[in-house]
Amino acid sequence: KQEVTQIPAALSVPEGENLVLNCSFTDSAIYNLQWFRQDPGKGLTSLLLIQSSQREQTSGRLNASLDKSSGRSTLYIAASQPGDSATYLCAVRPRADSWGKLQFGAGTQVVVTP
Amino acid sequence: DGGITQSPKYLFRKEGQNVTLSCEQNLNHDAMYWYRQDPGQGLRLIYYSQIVNDFQKGDIAEGYSVSREKKESFPLTVTSAQKNPTAFYLCASKGWNTEAFFGQGTRLTVV
Repeated sequence: KQEVTQIPAALSVPEGENLVLNCSFTDSAIYNLQWFRQDPGKGLTSLLLIQSSQREQTSGRLNASLDKSSGRSTLYIAASQPGDSATYLCAVRPRADSWGKLQFGAGTQVVVTP
Repeated sequence: DGGITQSPKYLFRKEGQNVTLSCEQNLNHDAMYWYRQDPGQGLRLIYYSQIVNDFQKGDIAEGYSVSREKKESFPLTVTSAQKNPTAFYLCASKGWNTEAFFGQGTRLTVV
């Protein structure tokens, strides 16, 4: 069964520093990987979707890389701001499932201090 | 605006009572999902539906029921058989190989 791990569980950085969030998965047979942001008491907001054929995806200050063979994805957030404080989750769509039951990591809680 | 709407935002259930959580989407997505989120745990799949009038159990379906009579709607009923229903419930939808989009969630509390 596919397992998704996010380490560390929590991270605190000063404003302006670059954020590096890690996601690892045990089975490289995936269709895609998606990064989400969750604010306290809110739903998930999609940040980036990387297809299995892609190595990276970029949106503004966000860049996500995917190394399928090693089972890793990294989300980089440049020049962090206090508004980036949230929990970040990654989810993979295993190839074993035809209709995309996403497998989630437990998330990394990020605090950006002014 | 396209998106997913969950209601209500907060819901209180008495012992032995069934309650229904609403989820509506106007994204024209075929697949819809219900997840449960507990503190310190990842999202766990309750039920999912790939097409109207069809749905499958996820990892923690016991004590829950769903229906999919319309493409846009996927309501979740938390029955009295669910012994620990206090949690944050999230509904999602997606198309084939597209991003998954989530609603804003319903927080259910047993009183």
